[in-house]
Formats: sequence, C-alpha cells, structure tokens
Amino acid sequence: ETGVTQTPRHLVMGMTNKKSLKCEQHLGHNAMYWYKQSAKKPLELMFVYNFKEQTENNSVPSRFSPECPNSSHLFLHLHTLQPEDSALYLCASSQPGLARGEQYFGPGTRLTVT
Amino acid sequence: QKEVEQNSGPLSVPEGAIASLNCTYSDRGSQSFFWYRQYSGKSPELIMSIYSNGDKEDGRFTAQLNKASQYVSLLIRDSQPSDSATYLCAAEGAQKLVFGQGTRLTINP
Repeated sequence: ETGVTQTPRHLVMGMTNKKSLKCEQHLGHNAMYWYKQSAKKPLELMFVYNFKEQTENNSVPSRFSPECPNSSHLFLHLHTLQPEDSALYLCASSQPGLARGEQYFGPGTRLTVT
Repeated sequence: QKEVEQNSGPLSVPEGAIASLNCTYSDRGSQSFFWYRQYSGKSPELIMSIYSNGDKEDGRFTAQLNKASQYVSLLIRDSQPSDSATYLCAAEGAQKLVFGQGTRLTINP
C-alpha cells in the first residue's frame, strides 16, 4: 500500500448505529487530519493530530470521536449521527511544522446517514 | 465571513488557452498558500505551494502571490481537457489550513 488509504470507501448507517472510519498513511508523516466535505461547501477541518496528540478540534460535535493510536493510523468513531452528517470524510497527512500545508489526502469515505 | 474566497465558476476555457484562477484571503497572518486539484469523485491533490510574494512556476502551472492585496492566483498554460477539475485554494493561518470552496474549471476541446 502506498500513500494514504481509507476504509470503508462507502458507508450507510442509521442514526442509532455505531461505526468507525479508518485511515492509514504510508508516507512517514507525523501529522494527520480529518476533514468533512459537503456539497457546495468548502472543506471543513475537523481534527488535527501531531505526533499522536490532538492539537485541533474544530468545534466538532461529540458524536464524532477521533482516535490516533500511532502516527500512521487515525480513526473516526461515529455514533448517533444525524442526516446532515452525510458527506465525504477525508483523511490527510503531512509533516508537521512548516510543511503542514502540503497535505496528502486519502480517497475518502462517502457516508450516508439514514 | 468567508476566510478564503474563490469564484465557484464554472470557468470554461478553450483547449490550448491560459486558464486563470483567482483567490482572496482575509487572514493577513497567513504565510503559506496552496492550490489543490480535485477531479470529480476523487480527493484533493496538491499541485502548487507558494510562500513568498511573486511568481512560482512548475511546468504549465504558475502560482502568483500578492500579500499586500491578499490575493493568490493560479495560471494554467496550454490548457488540456485533463485539466478539467475543481481547483481549491488554501491558506495557512492560525496553525490550520483553510480552504476556499473551489473553482470548477472546464477545458473545451
């Protein structure tokens, strides 16, 4: 595997379900990010991890819970979601510091909440 | 108030012409700027970064930055149909990357 991978690629879940999204990067980076991309809206940063420590939570509702066990893996745990949470969820990685804007994105998970 | 603003388009350009994409940003503290390309159904891909005033060229792409005017642009020379995509401008400020909503570019053969 190369680059940034995400699983699953598509997910349909009910509002009472619990599911998790997984991201893995094979680039040797130490910063990882979760973004939400909705139609006709800019990419929204959700969470930032630097060297496994969360450094940014962009006022994300608690029904989204991130986990970063090491610098290569990132999870997003989902529970009690709302239909408006349906979107493309993108994981990205970069080196921290000056190069943090040069981010490499995974293919995304298309989430539909019914 | 939008922090990074782009014309959403669509912008139509004939094949072989120069495509010009523009972006303004509101945070004067932003120091780093990026252009990402996103094909339909795909994730964003970094194509250019620019950190200082002036022009930066990479192949057919030229990024231009004017910090005094808080303006970033991307020129694509000799446009090809494969350049048809949404182009996202991003500015780094307050320790995070802020994206514009993107400009959809269509190159007409």
